[in-house]
Amino acid sequence: SQQGEEDPQALSIQEGENATMNCSYKTSINNLQWYRQNSGRGLVHLILIRSNEREKHSGRLRVTLDTSKKSSSLLITASRAADTASYFCATVLANAGNNRKLIWGLGTSLAVNP
Amino acid sequence: SAVISQKPSRDICQRGTSLTIQCQVDSQVTMMFWYRQQPGQSLTLIATANQGSEATYESGFVIDKFPISRPNLTFSTLTVSNMSPEDSSIYLCSAGGTANTEAFFGQGTRLTVV
Repeated sequence: SQQGEEDPQALSIQEGENATMNCSYKTSINNLQWYRQNSGRGLVHLILIRSNEREKHSGRLRVTLDTSKKSSSLLITASRAADTASYFCATVLANAGNNRKLIWGLGTSLAVNP
Repeated sequence: SAVISQKPSRDICQRGTSLTIQCQVDSQVTMMFWYRQQPGQSLTLIATANQGSEATYESGFVIDKFPISRPNLTFSTLTVSNMSPEDSSIYLCSAGGTANTEAFFGQGTRLTVV
């Protein structure tokens, strides 16, 4: 079953505004990753944050991780129309041993209006 | 990093037939994964393709319906057998992502069964 839950499911903002997406999970993780998907094509990796990290930045992206709340957020600052896509979080469970795989959230559909 | 070439990118197939999807990675990877994704939804893992051994299938997916080959560390195929309209979906292959590194994805195969 899916471990990750994301909110909001859909988000519509104006260009230049910030977009924040949240991801929650249920059990201990090794890391949490964020991906972007355009129009049902292949996913592109954005950021990986390890369980002992609290915040990471990459360009206009900022990811936070709160392991006590089992949640993460992805902030996109100064959004552009080209940021319109679906965003997914994925986790790698701790202690998965040989059964390592990515557990995917339900995704947030972001629309940035020009 | 790795680049994954997936083909075909799309196909329309008659019910009862089978389709084989291929993924070629430009470097050796230990683990490859096959996903199914319905429009607007998250990724559902079908199986993990193991080199030199049988694939590991997730609950709800069986080898007779989704046979997988993994002849070497750079190539894998997924066959969707005896197709029905319910198999219409996007199929994605992926590599990596489970060892504190990012996952790489093929561009997906959009399958329509009529």
